[in-house]
Amino acid sequence: EADIYQTPRYLVIGTGKKITLECSQTMGHDKMYWYQQDPGMELHLIHYSYGVNSTEKGDLSSESTVSRIRTEHFPLTLESARPSHTSQYLCASSVAGVGEQYFGPGTRLTVT
Amino acid sequence: AQSVTQLDSQVPVFEEAPVELRCNYSSSVSVYLFWYVQYPNQGLQLLLKYLSGSTLVKGINGFEAEFNKSQTSFHLRKPSVHISDTAEYFCAVERGCSNYKLTFGKGTLLTVNP
Repeated sequence: EADIYQTPRYLVIGTGKKITLECSQTMGHDKMYWYQQDPGMELHLIHYSYGVNSTEKGDLSSESTVSRIRTEHFPLTLESARPSHTSQYLCASSVAGVGEQYFGPGTRLTVT
Repeated sequence: AQSVTQLDSQVPVFEEAPVELRCNYSSSVSVYLFWYVQYPNQGLQLLLKYLSGSTLVKGINGFEAEFNKSQTSFHLRKPSVHISDTAEYFCAVERGCSNYKLTFGKGTLLTVNP
């Protein structure tokens, strides 16, 4: 069974604050991903990582940044939150080779 | 570039009726295809996948999908739905040369009514 965790599940924060969304997986997967999901829209890949110290920007431009210091941990940071960052953020991981991605439960972010 | 089109944004059906959720993709290279389900306030869960071999793929919860290369389609079917199947369903494509990145459709909300 896939074990991938995201905290917090819900976050309401004011404009200008710095936030970090946490994502951890206990499966030892090399690949990890961050998606942004708005209601009625497809998931958009904003960051991905193929392993420790490897991070790449995804297909959708994002002001967020990520780091991958440990295999199991892939946090996403917004230095200065804005209302346009209001969205759901989903973290996922996968093993090497073609195959499915395992998703966390998501963080619903609201910036006021 | 590739894209995924889910032709219906919402599909309402009655319990025990059959359902088909449609998915078309555009890609000039070989692809791998996936269907995911998302229940309210949860992440996505894999229903089934097509990587190669038989074009009819069976997944969890009684769902199946058929890969049709000539029509570039990967429609999801279930012969008899339950109330618990109410959820958002996403079709996704991974190109063979995309370095493991998925492209998702916009999703189809399946609502099963009693």
